[in-house]
Formats: sequence, C-alpha cells, structure tokens
Amino acid sequence: AQKVTQAQTEISVVEKEDVTLDCVYETRDTTYYLFWYKQPPSGELVFLIRRNSFDEQNEISGRYSWNFQKSTSSFNFTITASQVVDSAVYFCALSDLYNAGNMLTFGGGTRLMVKP
Amino acid sequence: EAGVAQSPRYKIIEKRQSVAFWCNPISGHATLYWYQQILGQGPKLLIQFQNNGVVDDSQLPKDRFSAERLKGVDSTLKIQPAKLEDSAVYLCASSLVGRGTGDSPLHFGNGTRLTVT
Repeated sequence: AQKVTQAQTEISVVEKEDVTLDCVYETRDTTYYLFWYKQPPSGELVFLIRRNSFDEQNEISGRYSWNFQKSTSSFNFTITASQVVDSAVYFCALSDLYNAGNMLTFGGGTRLMVKP
Repeated sequence: EAGVAQSPRYKIIEKRQSVAFWCNPISGHATLYWYQQILGQGPKLLIQFQNNGVVDDSQLPKDRFSAERLKGVDSTLKIQPAKLEDSAVYLCASSLVGRGTGDSPLHFGNGTRLTVT
C-alpha cells in the first residue's frame, strides 16, 4: 500500500524567510512518481512538479526547489524568500506509475502562512 | 486552454437527500478522475475513467455513490442518499493519458463544496 506523510500540518513564516515543507512516502513499487501540488484559498489544485523514481537530481525552479532522497523516502520542497502569495496548502502525492497511471495518493497537506 | 469545469460551486443539502455534481474535462483528455477532499485532509480518489470505461472504483462507496461518463467526455457524480460524513469538496481532474505513464499530470477543477446538514 502507498502512503504519504506530511508531518507539518501548519507552518507560519514572515515574508522573505526560507521555508521547507517535508514529505515522506512509503511504497513497495520500484517505479513511481512523486508530485507537489499547491491549493490556494480558491480551492483548485495547482500542479508544481513531478519527479520519477529514477531521477534523484534536485530541481530548482525560480524560488522553488525540491530535494528527492530515495534513501530516506523523502521529497522535500523549499521556498526561498517566501512571499505572501505563497500562502496556501501544499500537498505531496505519490503515483504508482505502471498500474495506476496518474492515480494519486495524497498526503494530508501542509498549510503555509506567509505574513507580511 | 480552458480548464476543468465543475458545477455547482457550492451545494447544501439535508441528509438522506440526493445530489449530483457535473464535470467537463479539458478537451481531448481521455482520463477523468473524481476525488473527495474532506476538510483538513488530502484528496482521496473515488473513481477513475478512461474514456467512458471505469478503470478503478475500488474506493467508491457504491451503496450510495455512482458516477458515469457515458460519452467519454463530461461526467456526473451522484450521491443518494447523502450522509453527514459526505460533507467535503468533490474535485474533478483530467489528464491527457492515463495508465502506464506519468507524462501527463492531472489538471484539477475548482471543486464542488458539499455541505450535508
């Protein structure tokens, strides 16, 4: 069975601080995908990134960066120089690639509040 | 491109009543999903369609929930009769392809917020 754990339910930072959102996953599959989604107050889930289990290279996109460590089953997300617009709930998710296509198992989410 | 459209945006019903939600995926997207998101939790998959066929409905409470995608495009999710614990946001998502690839990420709609009183 797949499981995604986001231990931080809520994080509050002041604008311009860096913040890291933790994600730990469990799967018996050797091939899988990991995702991060952002859910702003409007409710829609916005896709941020997808990584496959073969690629452990860290990725940076603007102020966002992701640290994938297969040895610890973690896929952490860092926002550098946070902004008020980053306030949202962030979800980490896992997909069994070959058996379930894009069916996602989500973590419980981390609510990030960025204060001015 | 137009996103995933869902309606209604909000719905309030009493327990034991029936309710239906509608979803129109992004044009050309073969795969459609319904997720249930209870307040404070991550979304949970209810059902996945590939065109007009059901791929997985193992987590759908079939005694009260039903879903269809008759023409392989838009879809409806129905609850009959509703219970208090069905209060949640129901999210529809679509992707270009489904089984066997992660190359087509999900695109989510804004969801329908259901309150059962």
